[in-house]
Amino acid sequence: DSGVTQTPKHLITATGQRVTLRCSPRSGDLSVYWYQQSLDQGLQFLIQYYNGEERAKGNILERFSAQQFPDLHSELNLSSLELGDSALYFCASSVVQGGYTEAFFGQGTRLTVV
Amino acid sequence: AQSVAQPEDQVNVAEGNPLTVKCTYSVSGNPYLFWYVQYPNRGLQFLLKYITGDNLVKGSYGFEAEFNKSQTSFHLKKPSALVSDSALYFCAVRDTGDGGFKTIFGAGTRLFVKA
Repeated sequence: DSGVTQTPKHLITATGQRVTLRCSPRSGDLSVYWYQQSLDQGLQFLIQYYNGEERAKGNILERFSAQQFPDLHSELNLSSLELGDSALYFCASSVVQGGYTEAFFGQGTRLTVV
Repeated sequence: AQSVAQPEDQVNVAEGNPLTVKCTYSVSGNPYLFWYVQYPNRGLQFLLKYITGDNLVKGSYGFEAEFNKSQTSFHLKKPSALVSDSALYFCAVRDTGDGGFKTIFGAGTRLFVKA
């Protein structure tokens, strides 16, 4: 158990809908990362937050947004969902904002858009 | 921008034989390099990392990796493979020249260890 909790584990929704994925980082970790894993795109970095502030952005679509709250949990919001958004979404956390520290991953949320 | 390549989609090895999973990278500054493993229906687990110092780093489950600056490589190795090592392996890099915030992952290499 990595200590990173993601909910829900599975989500099935229709095209055009909006969903929110939730991540609770390990106790004491200030940095949260979001990744999308799909069969054809591999593991894509979406966005990183550190202590409530956005620190780095990757290939995140404009339909997607995220935030980190004062209690350090984070949410990834996906809107106007398309079939191609079906993927495994991972959250990871680390003590500091990148650098030399490894990240600890949650078990992911599997999103299926039908 | 940093990038990382894992040239092999799949590596097959017999149990007891040595294994190598290849990784090359590109950064503007100095790299921080990581290996992670993913078992089916699980999140990624950290194996080992290179930050600075000794080019040979040792990690979990008997894995080690060798940092080669001239070849910009960070290959994962194990002297004797186990069937239980069968999983998806990811190499990752952070670029100190880019602030060191973003972690970019390779496409992954699936390792099959045959009994």
